[in-house]
Amino acid sequence: GENVEQHPSTLSVQEGDSAVIKCTYSDSASNYFPWYKQELGKRPQLIIDIRSNVGEKKDQRIAVTLNKTAKHFSLHITETQPEDSAVYFCAASVGGYQKVTFGTGTKLQVIP
Amino acid sequence: DAGVIQSPRHEVTEMGQEVTLRCKPISGHDYLFWYRQTMMRGLELLIYFNNNVPIDDSGMPEDRFSAKMPNASFSTLKIQPSEPRDSAVYFCASSFGGAQETQYFGPGTRLLVL
Repeated sequence: GENVEQHPSTLSVQEGDSAVIKCTYSDSASNYFPWYKQELGKRPQLIIDIRSNVGEKKDQRIAVTLNKTAKHFSLHITETQPEDSAVYFCAASVGGYQKVTFGTGTKLQVIP
Repeated sequence: DAGVIQSPRHEVTEMGQEVTLRCKPISGHDYLFWYRQTMMRGLELLIYFNNNVPIDDSGMPEDRFSAKMPNASFSTLKIQPSEPRDSAVYFCASSFGGAQETQYFGPGTRLLVL
């Protein structure tokens, strides 16, 4: 089955700096890659996703890049703010199979 | 819409007792997913339904776990008998169109088995 690895497990940045979280996946048939944000004690919420027919997607301060050849994808957050502090999960899914495999999460702390 | 609704929000029970978790998906969504979240294993898919039909329960840990979806508005996840290692946060999520569309998570049920 699909295996998703995520790094780093924790990340501390100063407010205003950029944060990058990286994930790799094992199944070359994966074609959908969502990112979820989970604040402490809250539910995971989708913040951005990318499909395999594009290499990059942006939404305001958040961007995701995908390298299908290397089977890795990354989340970039620019101009970080304290409210960006949360656990971020990457995930991968193979088309036709209604499963999303999640990474182990990155705890991001933005220091004011 | 109120979003995905789960109950109870917290459950404390003793080993051996039956536990029933409940979920009401977003109206109109045709997929419902049950996840378990622990520090050790992260977010794991337990089972999912499409149009109220269980499609894949390969993530259910063992026979002590069962799930039903009697109609489009209601699903249950039952653990009988419960064990301390079942302690976790259980999330229900729903989507329109499957796992490759936005999944909306409920607030979760925090289960503690003593």
